[in-house]
Amino acid sequence: QVQLVESGGGVVQPGRSLRLSCAASGFTFSNYAMHWVRQAPGKGLEWMAVVSYDGNNKYYADSVRGRFTISRDSSKNTLYLQMNSLRAEDTAVFYCARDGVVASAMLVDHYYHMDVWGKGTTVIVSS
Amino acid sequence: DIVMTQSPDSLAVALGERATINCKSSQSVLYSSNNKNYLGWYQLKPGQPPKLLIYWASTRESGVPDRFSGSGSGTDFTFTISSLQAEDVAVYYCQQYYSSPFTFGPGTKVGIK
Repeated sequence: QVQLVESGGGVVQPGRSLRLSCAASGFTFSNYAMHWVRQAPGKGLEWMAVVSYDGNNKYYADSVRGRFTISRDSSKNTLYLQMNSLRAEDTAVFYCARDGVVASAMLVDHYYHMDVWGKGTTVIVSS
Repeated sequence: DIVMTQSPDSLAVALGERATINCKSSQSVLYSSNNKNYLGWYQLKPGQPPKLLIYWASTRESGVPDRFSGSGSGTDFTFTISSLQAEDVAVYYCQQYYSSPFTFGPGTKVGIK
């Protein structure tokens, strides 16, 4: 079945780095754009970043641009989020999600609703 | 950036009654070339990942009960649960995917009266 499994979360000190992974299975990973979304404790959902199906286009939320990098390795069916210069306010559950439209049906550089979600991985930034 | 607002912040509805949530975007999310509203609705329950309910503002995701519906166009949207069930207690979010950053609304908490 279609599945996304995040990993790599943990406790990290402010200013340090962490890399999250999202393993995809059950669908042709290289045919879909992929997103990261987070939810801080007691807060709402915050969209973080998207990478196009081919990895050529990437977009970020203002709050993480320049600190976080989204990437993908289609040979490993894996999505990544490299997080640098972490802050206390980055503490959250991080979800990866699949873009809802297959690449062949997309308008160029359009992105869509998120139809498949992982269960999330927790990142705590604390000294 | 497109700012999404939702109202109310929370509501309590009796079982079997209607729940209605409004969502407003700071600019239109209607893409003229395909006449689609780039607006989705998600359900979030504690300890679970978000679940897509509605996309293109009014298209129900496969497997989603038909008591959930969405409507609206341009900048003003409505999400309705026609007959609230106990399992519908959750926070509901609208999200625009018209332009990056693909912002969510602040969420509306739905409970039982």
